[in-house]
Amino acid sequence: EVVLTQSPATLSFSPGERATLSCRASQSISNYLAWYQHKPGQAPRLLIYDASNRATGVPARFSGSGSGTDFTLTISSLEPEDFAVYYCQHRNSWPLTFGGGTKVEIK
Amino acid sequence: QVQLVESGGGVVQPGRSLRLSCAASGFTFNSYSMNWVRHTPDKGLEWVAVISSDAKTIYYTDSVKGRFTISRDNSKNTLFLQMNRLTAEDTALYYCAKEWKLHYWYFDFWGRGTLVTVSS
Repeated sequence: EVVLTQSPATLSFSPGERATLSCRASQSISNYLAWYQHKPGQAPRLLIYDASNRATGVPARFSGSGSGTDFTLTISSLEPEDFAVYYCQHRNSWPLTFGGGTKVEIK
Repeated sequence: QVQLVESGGGVVQPGRSLRLSCAASGFTFNSYSMNWVRHTPDKGLEWVAVISSDAKTIYYTDSVKGRFTISRDNSKNTLFLQMNRLTAEDTALYYCAKEWKLHYWYFDFWGRGTLVTVSS
């Protein structure tokens, strides 16, 4: 099973700041990684697929990078609506797994 | 537009069973794999199971193998999850989630979830 580790669990920023989130895989997963945004009471939203491709309708301030075992989600300038929990998820093999999530909170 | 509506959650005693349903609309249901994903505040998101569009391929996460069964009725655009021998560890909000595109095991549409609470 591929274990995805997201650390730290919580990051604090002010609106307008740049946020960089990390996701590390326990083995190489090529670029088979997605990022989701999850807000309380809402369904998760697919942001990035295959490490670096924005999903339909996702603002350009969201970008993803990485391959192999180390991946990054960057939010170039945080908007108020971006404060949420972010999860990575791989599709390299079964079972699919998610990382534990990183909460981006307002400082 | 795509809609996924889960139902069937509730409070159940340990060791008992529950059957979840997910009614789908707004897309060609029989062309996509479907998944169950659960969420808890402590553990976050956990993928549970997937069923291919033709129901011939099924996978589960290890913790539910032998207890949960995923199925679908393409004539009724409905996904199911039969959950047996439930434990407190199964307490979660259960989402059904649509495969983004064929064999891309990401999820582009999700329901609002149905809450399962396992408690005596």
